[in-house]
Amino acid sequence: NAGVMQNPRHLVRRRGQEARLRCSPMKGHSHVYWYRQLPEEGLKFMVYLQKENIIDESGMPKERFSAEFPKEGPSILRIQQVVRGDSAAYFCASSPPGTNSYNEQFFGPGTRLTVL
Amino acid sequence: KQEVTQIPAALSVPEGENLVLNCSFTDSAIYNLQWFRQDPGKGLTSLLLIQSSQREQTSGRLNASLDKSSGRSTLYIAASQPGDSATYLCAVTGTASKLTFGTGTRLQVTL
Repeated sequence: NAGVMQNPRHLVRRRGQEARLRCSPMKGHSHVYWYRQLPEEGLKFMVYLQKENIIDESGMPKERFSAEFPKEGPSILRIQQVVRGDSAAYFCASSPPGTNSYNEQFFGPGTRLTVL
Repeated sequence: KQEVTQIPAALSVPEGENLVLNCSFTDSAIYNLQWFRQDPGKGLTSLLLIQSSQREQTSGRLNASLDKSSGRSTLYIAASQPGDSATYLCAVTGTASKLTFGTGTRLQVTL
């Protein structure tokens, strides 16, 4: 049973370009969470999704950031018109269906975004 | 708003020592608490999960305790090894299902 998969592992973009980060949850998991770790800072929650639904996006910046988790395929975190301040490690986690708040979250290896 | 603090921020111990890492949280209305390990430039490895109804969990040389009413958790590492060197993070899950992370403790175990 493969763990949470994220790709790419490293992504370099120039200012103004778009970044697309992908996350495939563990088999059987239907909840996906995205977190961001800025340099020398702790991990911060961004968004919580279930299949085809955004449950909580309270941690998402209001502009340029969006996330989706379609019925088929991986979850996508999309950052439009990237700026240098977007440079960070972006982690995805997944948990199984059921009573959400009791479930352990399993993390992927992260995508390290560098904006030049 | 939940805030999670970890003390100390950094710790260096000689191999073989037992050590305790501390985590405190401001809102006791949590569902569970997780301890993670993060190696430099790597992802997070889940070490232990304690549900709010539990007092402690053990895995090998690791033991985590939870005192929900006082907003505290400790991670005890027995007989530390150089391979234990990493950053240790605690995180709590509240009603919104999201994890709120602490600031981390950077541990170095020396030979």
